[in-house]
Amino acid sequence: EVQLVQSGAEVKKPGESLKISCKASGYRFTNYWIGWVRQMPGKGLEWMGIIYPGDSDIRYGPSFQGQVTISADKSISTAYLQWGSLRASDTAMYYCARHGEGADYWGQGTRVTVSS
Amino acid sequence: EIVLTQSPGTLSLSPGERATLSCRASQSVTNSYLAWYQQKPGQAPRLLTYGASSRATGVPDRFSGSGSGTDFTLTISRLEPEDFAVYYCQQYGSSPRTFGQGTKVEIK
Repeated sequence: EVQLVQSGAEVKKPGESLKISCKASGYRFTNYWIGWVRQMPGKGLEWMGIIYPGDSDIRYGPSFQGQVTISADKSISTAYLQWGSLRASDTAMYYCARHGEGADYWGQGTRVTVSS
Repeated sequence: EIVLTQSPGTLSLSPGERATLSCRASQSVTNSYLAWYQQKPGQAPRLLTYGASSRATGVPDRFSGSGSGTDFTLTISRLEPEDFAVYYCQQYGSSPRTFGQGTKVEIK
């Protein structure tokens, strides 16, 4: 059974760094793109970027290029999303999703709250 | 970047009625790589259809996708109570893999 299990909710202050994770199981991690989607409170889905763990090819959405870093550790089948310096506007739910034909499996989401 | 525009923003219907949701792309979607998702409050999105018209595993056959090029449609033939939710389209034929802004299907 394919599963994506994300790390728990985070509460951070502006300027702090953060790395959240998405652990995959039930399929060959290196054979599928895995990506991140942001959902700000009460808003729609925004595609942040995607990584192919097989060769570490990474694509970012224009709004997120330079703002976040996507990475993966294929030895533990885990994808990551990290920020160097958080802002209040990063407050959102973040989902990871496996990309086969469409985003066919999703994590449960990680809520990130950035507040002073 | 391909911009996806969904219409209407909100659809007010009764159980048993037919729902027709539209997704229009600013340029042609490569290979009709267009997916539809359903999201209920407090839940992650769920893939309904991909490749414009293929249903994902376990999705009831009252959900059907159609279209090509720049115009795509999700049809729910007869609304069940559990179908009232927000629906998003996404193109995955080119990067960035953009989403539409969503259509809320609410109970009339």
